Amino acid sequence: SAVISQKPSRDICQRGTSLTIQCQVDSQVTMMFWYRQQPGQSLTLIATANQGSEATYESGFVIDKFPISRPNLTFSTLTVSNMSPEDSSIYLCSVGKAGLSYEQYFGPGTRLTVT
Amino acid sequence: AQSVTQPDIHITVSEGASLELRCNYSYGATPYLFWYVQSPGQGLQLLLKYFSGDTLVQGIKGFEAEFKRSQSSFNLRKPSVHWSDAAEYFCAVNTDKLIFGTGTRLQVFP
Repeated sequence: SAVISQKPSRDICQRGTSLTIQCQVDSQVTMMFWYRQQPGQSLTLIATANQGSEATYESGFVIDKFPISRPNLTFSTLTVSNMSPEDSSIYLCSVGKAGLSYEQYFGPGTRLTVT
Repeated sequence: AQSVTQPDIHITVSEGASLELRCNYSYGATPYLFWYVQSPGQGLQLLLKYFSGDTLVQGIKGFEAEFKRSQSSFNLRKPSVHWSDAAEYFCAVNTDKLIFGTGTRLQVFP
């Protein structure tokens, strides 16, 4: 399976600011995804990061709030914009196994607290 | 719409006891099924998966799961739990995207 790293691992931010989370994979992957895990909750898919094109967002998530970049096949960023305390969550990136997006491997997550 | 139900929010077992975590899904066809484990402060680790074939699948860390089409279930089992198994366990279904259950928190007493 791929080795996935995320930066930062955690951060405390003030409301109204933005934070960019990085996801790096040790091999080229076709599919990359971003998830949100609110406190005590399960995971919810934010968007699929597409290389060379705009991300595909799930219902309830918009590009202005969660802009995503995917400049190549090993790297993606998620920005949480104009943060509020409700954005306090763990944000996880995942990658789809080559040729089989059904099987996903997850990074360690970024724990975000907004004050 | 597809959904995943994990009816047990919290389970407590003694170390060495057997374990079964329940998972039911709602989907018209046979989906791809997964169990993930999340230790405190960690990301998710894939325990096992079912795509097709043998309905009893073996995973890492001594876990296994059985797919029962008639019951739309994919329960996770382990014959003897270790203290290090204490974590949050998520069942997931993938049709065109990965949908997670609400999770079951496992506590292990010595």
